[in-house]
Amino acid sequence: NAGVTQTPKFQVLKTGQSMTLQCAQDMNHEYMSWYRQDPGMGLRLIHYSVGAGITDQGEVPNGYNVSRSTTEDFPLRLLSAAPSQTSVYFCASRKGQGTTEAFFGQGTRLTVV
Amino acid sequence: AQKVTQAQTEISVVEKEDVTLDCVYETRDTTYYLFWYKQPPSGELVFLIRRNSFDEQNEISGRYSWNFQKSTSSFNFTITASQVVDSAVYFCALSSYGTSYGKLTFGQGTILTVHP
Repeated sequence: NAGVTQTPKFQVLKTGQSMTLQCAQDMNHEYMSWYRQDPGMGLRLIHYSVGAGITDQGEVPNGYNVSRSTTEDFPLRLLSAAPSQTSVYFCASRKGQGTTEAFFGQGTRLTVV
Repeated sequence: AQKVTQAQTEISVVEKEDVTLDCVYETRDTTYYLFWYKQPPSGELVFLIRRNSFDEQNEISGRYSWNFQKSTSSFNFTITASQVVDSAVYFCALSSYGTSYGKLTFGQGTILTVHP
C-alpha cells in the first residue's frame, strides 16, 4: 500500500515553461486536493476534487489546472510557470465523511527561475 | 470563510520543558473537524490528531495532549517533557462537513525548536 505518491520530488523550470505534477493514491479515496506551502503562510488550497470528473477551485487557483479522470490520479498542471509559483506542493487524499485524516504525499519542491 | 490562526510563529525551549502550541479557529459551520499535523525537517506531513466539533473531550497520547474548547474556538496542543526529536513545524487545520470535507484550512504553522 503506497498511500499518496507524488512525482517528481524536485523540479526546476524556466519562466514560461509548462509542466504537470503527478499525484496518485491507491486507497480508493474520494477526496483529493493540491496545496502549496510557502514560508509563513502554512498550506493553501489550490484545487480539490470530490470524485472522478468533479473538481473545484481552492484559495489560490490562478495559473494551475487540474482534472480527475480516475479515482486514483489527480495531476496538477502549471500552464506557464512564473517565479511566484516557486513553492513546495503537496497532494492529499481523504476517504469519506468523518472517517479519517487526510493523507499527504511527500511533496514536490518546485523552483521557477 | 474559515480561518485558522497560530499566533506563535516560533517557539524555542530547552529539552524536558513543557510547551503549548496555540490554535484558534473561525468557522460558521456547526459540524467541523480539527487536526494537528507535524512537519519534521525531512518535510513530510505527519498526522497527529483529529477532533470532531461535537466531541470536546480532551485527549492525551503519551507526551502529547490536546485541549479542545468550543467556547473559545481553540484547539491547543501541549508537549510534555519535550525532546529534540519534537523539533518541527506544527500545523493546526480545520475542515467542514459535507462537500467541503476534502478541503483543509491550515494555520501559518509554529516552528518549534527544542535545544538539548
